[in-house]
Amino acid sequence: QSVLTQPPSVSAAPGQRVTISCSGSSSNIGSNYVSWYQQLPGTAPKLLIYDNNKRPSGIPDRFSGSKSGTSATLGITGLQTGDEADYYCGTWDTSLSVVVFGGGTKLTV
Amino acid sequence: QLRLQESGPGLVKPSETLSLTCTVSGGSISSSSYYWGWIRQPPGKGPEWIGSISYRGNTFYNPSLKSRLTVSVDTSNNQFSLRLSSVTAADTAVYYCARSGKFVSRSLEWLPDSFDYWGQGTLVTVSS
Repeated sequence: QSVLTQPPSVSAAPGQRVTISCSGSSSNIGSNYVSWYQQLPGTAPKLLIYDNNKRPSGIPDRFSGSKSGTSATLGITGLQTGDEADYYCGTWDTSLSVVVFGGGTKLTV
Repeated sequence: QLRLQESGPGLVKPSETLSLTCTVSGGSISSSSYYWGWIRQPPGKGPEWIGSISYRGNTFYNPSLKSRLTVSVDTSNNQFSLRLSSVTAADTAVYYCARSGKFVSRSLEWLPDSFDYWGQGTLVTVSS
């Protein structure tokens, strides 16, 4: 059981927009930065979003992040088949003194 | 371009110690701007943070692993290492090393932020 709750799966057609939610509490998302990772099959996770809504160099602006209260959302527009992957949210949990990750969401395009 | 590479045995016997090393190339491990961390991912499951270390040796450990865990740094060789003792089958996972930024908490402590560079990962199986 993950501290951060994500939907197990989402799906959308190519070209469409999808959002992935990440729900936590005041001790994690509510008080610390959220990051998002994309994991293609058989590869290491790749940072997509950091500090709630910032994109590392090289990440297209099709990917966006937002946070409100104790929840965060990853948005992906202009979906491509290459976006099919597992997506994880992560943050620091102040009460547990640990980096926590969500259980992951499998995106099907 | 920064590169991280894990190395170590792929098979460890139950009750023994798992040891992995991460070699950093393309940049110095001796930067005050980053922490260096270990994350593992059991087959079919999400990532689990193991622990992080600064180049000065300041450590942050996952409380669930703390009693069995040692993370160390070797700045002269641009490496950091993981030792996990008394392993069981539950420790079977792909182990990743990664670099993280830092953020300052409300209690003014510098803590690990997001992980921006990752190694390719190494599968460690615990089995007799």
